[in-house]
Amino acid sequence: DAKTTQPPSMDCAEGRAANLPCNHSTISGNEYVYWYRQIHSQGPQYIIHGLKNNETNEMASLIITEDRKSSTLILPHATLRDTAVYYCIVRATYNAGNMLTFGGGTRLMVKP
Amino acid sequence: EAGVTQSPTHLIKTRGQQATLRCSPISGHTSVYWYQQALGLGLQFLLWYDEGEERNRGNFPPRFSGRQFPNYSSELNVNALELEDSALYLCASSLGGGGQTILSGNTIYFGEGSWLTVV
Repeated sequence: DAKTTQPPSMDCAEGRAANLPCNHSTISGNEYVYWYRQIHSQGPQYIIHGLKNNETNEMASLIITEDRKSSTLILPHATLRDTAVYYCIVRATYNAGNMLTFGGGTRLMVKP
Repeated sequence: EAGVTQSPTHLIKTRGQQATLRCSPISGHTSVYWYQQALGLGLQFLLWYDEGEERNRGNFPPRFSGRQFPNYSSELNVNALELEDSALYLCASSLGGGGQTILSGNTIYFGEGSWLTVV
């Protein structure tokens, strides 16, 4: 499975959009990009995932570049409760083990 | 709809003992995953079960084992506990492969975890 690179930390002002980047230059054609977040000592919360197209749900938007080598998670109006560690993950295909491999993630701090 | 449920929430064991952690997946999910998160460290993949069979295993010693029951619930057993086994153990579930190879687009949902403390 492809590895991902994320900045270790980011700050965002409350009410502003938070844009979290992720590089996954070795992603293969049938590997999905997943985003999760973890608030201290809780189970990871699923945010969104995509394969090729941009995706949007009630929590966030996922923008994947055309070459699929990077993506951006957008939280449109960050609140204090969005403070968490955000993980960008390229999930292994079913035959390769199907699991999520977590890296260090980005610690997002939303400030008032 | 109930999410992934785990029990117990907290467990304290003595070094050398065995610990058993349990997980009930979301209704309809046949795949169950186990992860370990030691304090201050990242999530490490332990095991993946799909339709009763172990499909993948992370880089953990054999004293970490588990099984999946016919109702798709699962348990994780840790034998000969060591102090460094103290961690948050997370269970997750997803729709399974149905016996076929599929793209990994079935979302994985996590429970809140079981805290294991080894003293």
